[in-house]
Formats: sequence, C-alpha cells, structure tokens
Amino acid sequence: GAVVSQHPSRVICKSGTSVKIECRSLDFQATTMFWYRQFPKQSLMLMATSNEGSKATYEQGVEKDKFLINHASLTLSTLTVTSAHPEDSSFYICSARGALAGGRGRETQYFGPGTRLLVL
Amino acid sequence: GQQVMQIPQYQHVQEGEDFTTYCNSSTTLSNIQWYKQRPGGHPVFLIQLVKSGEVKKQKRLTFQFGEAKKNSSLHITATQTTDVGTYFCADFQGAQKLVFGQGTRLTINP
Repeated sequence: GAVVSQHPSRVICKSGTSVKIECRSLDFQATTMFWYRQFPKQSLMLMATSNEGSKATYEQGVEKDKFLINHASLTLSTLTVTSAHPEDSSFYICSARGALAGGRGRETQYFGPGTRLLVL
Repeated sequence: GQQVMQIPQYQHVQEGEDFTTYCNSSTTLSNIQWYKQRPGGHPVFLIQLVKSGEVKKQKRLTFQFGEAKKNSSLHITATQTTDVGTYFCADFQGAQKLVFGQGTRLTINP
C-alpha cells in the first residue's frame, strides 16, 4: 500500500491565491522530505529539501518566499504556493525518506502520488 | 551540480520488440535508481544499483551499472503495452538528494 500520501490530488485556483499541499508519511517517520516539480513532458526537478524542525534548503532558482515549506513533524510536510500565477501550474510531488518498520532500519525514499495544480 | 543525461528522449516500438534506455554521467555516479512513471501517474521506484558492473533482473527488465559507474541502462525484453510510460534514472547527490535524468518516454504500438 501507499506509504506517502498527498492532499489534495488536484487543485484549481485563481491567480493570486495561495495553495497549500500536504505530504504525509504513513507508517514511518520521515527524517527528510523532498519537494519536486514536474512540468508536462519534463523530468522531476527538486525544489527543496526539508528536515523536521529545521528550515528547508532550497535549490538554486527556487524562491523560498514563494514556495513556503513547513516540516512540523516527522510525518507531515506542507508546501504553500503563495500568490500563485499560471506559470506555477505544474505537478508537485513530495518524497519522504525514512525507514519502514520491518525494513531492518534501511532508509528508502518513497514518492507521493503528486498534486496537480492549475492556476487560472 | 552533476548532471545525469538520459537517452533517448522518446522511443516508439512495436509490441514484442525490445527497448533500452541509457543513463550517462561525466562523473562517477553514486547509486543509480530507476523509476517508471505511467501517463498521468507519479514515479514508482523500480530498482537501485550500487556496485560497479552490477546487473539485476526483474522479469523482462534488466538493469546494468557500468564498470566505471558512469553509466547505467534499463533493457526491456519483448515489450508489452503495460510497459508504456516514462522511465527515469536518478542519482544521489550529497548522500540524500536525488537528481533525475530527463527520462525516456516509451510508447508501444499494439
């Protein structure tokens, strides 16, 4: 079954509004969470890396004031796209890294199902 | 940062034909992971290669890691329509950051 969930799966919003996307790790504690963005027919581009309780590390070219990341617990990270514009329309995918129970302590990275954002 | 180049960008085959995608880097790759993304879906982890020269098989899929750890390949034997999707390789940078190749989009004529 799924080990990482994302909510919502799809969102349509008006230009200028803010959108919050949640990423949850199920049945394991995620030491690190990653946020990716994927434009149509392109690869996944890492936006930021976050560790619980600390500030996210953003990749070059990603505006930290526009893409707010909160990693408040070991099972939840949120990405808020502030003042969204049509060019922010994309597929946002989170990934969580942690060790599943029974996985002999080996950490693996699991991807969420993604959130499709359409800004009108 | 290190770039992971993946070729070809697109591949169209007849059902039953073989398919191969290649991942290359100018510098040594640490651990290569392969993912499959179905149209409209999210990347699904297929396998990880760690050792130089490593070869792993999953039914009709064969994964190889080059001896110099600068390239990797995924080969599918006798493709089926369920193999349609985009295949990505990804390498770890800085111990935990995954960097993805551009992906190879496979389409199949039944």
